[in-house]
Amino acid sequence: GENVEQHPSTLSVQEGDSAVIKCTYSDSASNYFPWYKQELGKRPQLIIDIRSNVGEKKDQRIAVTLNKTAKHFSLHITETQPEDSAVYFCAAFSGYSTLTFGKGTMLLVSP
Amino acid sequence: DAGVIQSPRHEVTEMGQEVTLRCKPISGHDYLFWYRQTMMRGLELLIYFNNNVPIDDSGMPEDRFSAKMPNASFSTLKIQPSEPRDSAVYFCASSLGQGGSPLHFGNGTRLTVT
Repeated sequence: GENVEQHPSTLSVQEGDSAVIKCTYSDSASNYFPWYKQELGKRPQLIIDIRSNVGEKKDQRIAVTLNKTAKHFSLHITETQPEDSAVYFCAAFSGYSTLTFGKGTMLLVSP
Repeated sequence: DAGVIQSPRHEVTEMGQEVTLRCKPISGHDYLFWYRQTMMRGLELLIYFNNNVPIDDSGMPEDRFSAKMPNASFSTLKIQPSEPRDSAVYFCASSLGQGGSPLHFGNGTRLTVT
């Protein structure tokens, strides 16, 4: 089955800096890659997703890039703000089963 | 739409007791998922349904866990008997279609078994 590795497990940045979270996947058939944000005590919520026919997608301060050859995808957050502090999960879908989630990255943005 | 609705939000019970968690998916969504979240294991898929039919329950930890979906608007996850190691946050999620569609999570049920 699919295996998703996510790094780093924790990330601390200063407000205004950029943050990058990286994920790798194992199944070359995977074709859908969403990112979820989970604030403390709340539910995971989709923030951005990308499909395998696209290399990059942006939505205001967040962007996701996908390298199918290397089987990795990344989340980029620019001009970070304290409200970006949360746990971020990447996931991959290969078409055979369900989404496989990474272990999560705890992002802390300090004022 | 009110989103995925789970109840209760919090459940505290004693070891050995039966626990029932409830979920109402978003109307029209044909997939329903039950996840368990802990610090150690992250988000674990327990079971999922398609059109009310269980498709994959390989993530259910053991026979103490069971899940049902009697109709398109209701699902339950039952633990009997409960154990302290079952303490976790249980999320229900639904989607329109499989995989390539966004998952919508409920607010979760925080279960504490003493």
